[in-house]
Amino acid sequence: QSVLTQPRSVSGSPGQSVTISCTGTSSDIGGYNYVSWYQQYPGKAPNLMIYDVTKRPSGVPDRFSGSKSGNTASLTISGLQAEDEADYYCCSYAGRYTMVFGGGTKLTVL
Amino acid sequence: QVQLVQSGAEVKKPGSSVKVSCQASGGTFTRYAFNWVRQAPGQGLEWMGRIIPVAGITNYADEFQGRVTITAGTSTSAAYMELTSLRSEDTAVYYCARGGSTNGAPFDSWGQGTLVTVSS
Repeated sequence: QSVLTQPRSVSGSPGQSVTISCTGTSSDIGGYNYVSWYQQYPGKAPNLMIYDVTKRPSGVPDRFSGSKSGNTASLTISGLQAEDEADYYCCSYAGRYTMVFGGGTKLTVL
Repeated sequence: QVQLVQSGAEVKKPGSSVKVSCQASGGTFTRYAFNWVRQAPGQGLEWMGRIIPVAGITNYADEFQGRVTITAGTSTSAAYMELTSLRSEDTAVYYCARGGSTNGAPFDSWGQGTLVTVSS
């Protein structure tokens, strides 16, 4: 069982926006601004999409954005495209030099 | 551009150990941390631990304390993850991932993954 809770699946039509939530506790998400999000295609390694809650690495489209409120972080993908269909994982610093992941969310583009 | 290349797939017996390597190239190695993350079949990602080679510091997830050892060779730009007392539940793809040396730093480069199968 993963430490951070994500919905198993979300879906949206091309052009729409979807939001994936990631709920933790005050010991991880709520305690630090070190939340990152990863996109993973089947059979491939994950790829960093968001870090430090809201920052985007170079090369990541600005359709991807991150936010946090209390113990819950969120990833929003606007202007949904077929290529966005993938699994998404949140990750947070959890103190004592450790990191924790969410269970992952499968995004389906209808 | 940093590239991380991992060793090949392994098949191990329950109770044995496995050591996976991760070779870095194309960028600075010593001032970063190397993390190990695993993914069981059809399951999510699980952080196992990390090493900061230049400082010789290692940190491990509680679930793996005592069973995992992460090492690095600064002169060879490689990191290693050894997992002992293997059981069937350890069957997974093991990834190395580069992160910063500060707490909470994201994982910005990943290896291709190494499948470890534990079966009698």
